[in-house]
Amino acid sequence: EVQLVQSGAEVKKPGESLKISCKGSGYSFTSYWIGWVRQMPGKGLEWMGIIYPGDSDTRYSPSFQGQVTISADKSISTAYLQWSSLKASDTAMYYCVRRTSEGYSYGPVSYMDVWGKGTTVTVSS
Amino acid sequence: SSELTQDPAVSVALGQTVRITCQGDSLRSYYASWYQQKPGQAPVLVIYGKNNRPSGIPDRFSGSSSGNTASLTITGAQAEDEADYYCNSRDSSGNHLEVFGTGTKVTVL
Repeated sequence: EVQLVQSGAEVKKPGESLKISCKGSGYSFTSYWIGWVRQMPGKGLEWMGIIYPGDSDTRYSPSFQGQVTISADKSISTAYLQWSSLKASDTAMYYCVRRTSEGYSYGPVSYMDVWGKGTTVTVSS
Repeated sequence: SSELTQDPAVSVALGQTVRITCQGDSLRSYYASWYQQKPGQAPVLVIYGKNNRPSGIPDRFSGSSSGNTASLTITGAQAEDEADYYCNSRDSSGNHLEVFGTGTKVTVL
């Protein structure tokens, strides 16, 4: 079964650091981009950034550039999202997703076909 | 970066048809995909590409696109279709980035 298994819920204080994880299984982890998506309480989905575990090519949405670091360890099929200094506004659910890209006769198509169950991060003093 | 705009909420009578739209410049270059999210759950892919459904998604879900607008149609809505729906496409920058729509809450009456 293809799946992404995320690490458990975290409760942190402002200023603390944090690294959450996303382990892929059931497919070739190095052949698909892995993205991170934020969902603040009661709000919509926000795209944070993406990494290609095969060569660690990483791209960030402008809103998140410099705020978080995305990395991956292909030897253990795991992607990471980390903060060096958390803020209360980082309180949210964070999902990792697998992006699949395919070529059709009408053009290229990409979509997020596998989602982790999410990691809740609560930042409070 | 790109933006995708959706109506905040729509309602549909049980068994009737509802169409959810998503507008944005990136849709002129890239196909949208659609995700269903129920309370307390992770989103689930329901439509991708021109009009493709992943295995297990009922055929009452369909997608279409024209110009800068993508649409998700639920034909014969069921109570279990009540959820938030998000569109998504590649960002216009072509830099492997993505963008999500603002989301639509679908209520089945």
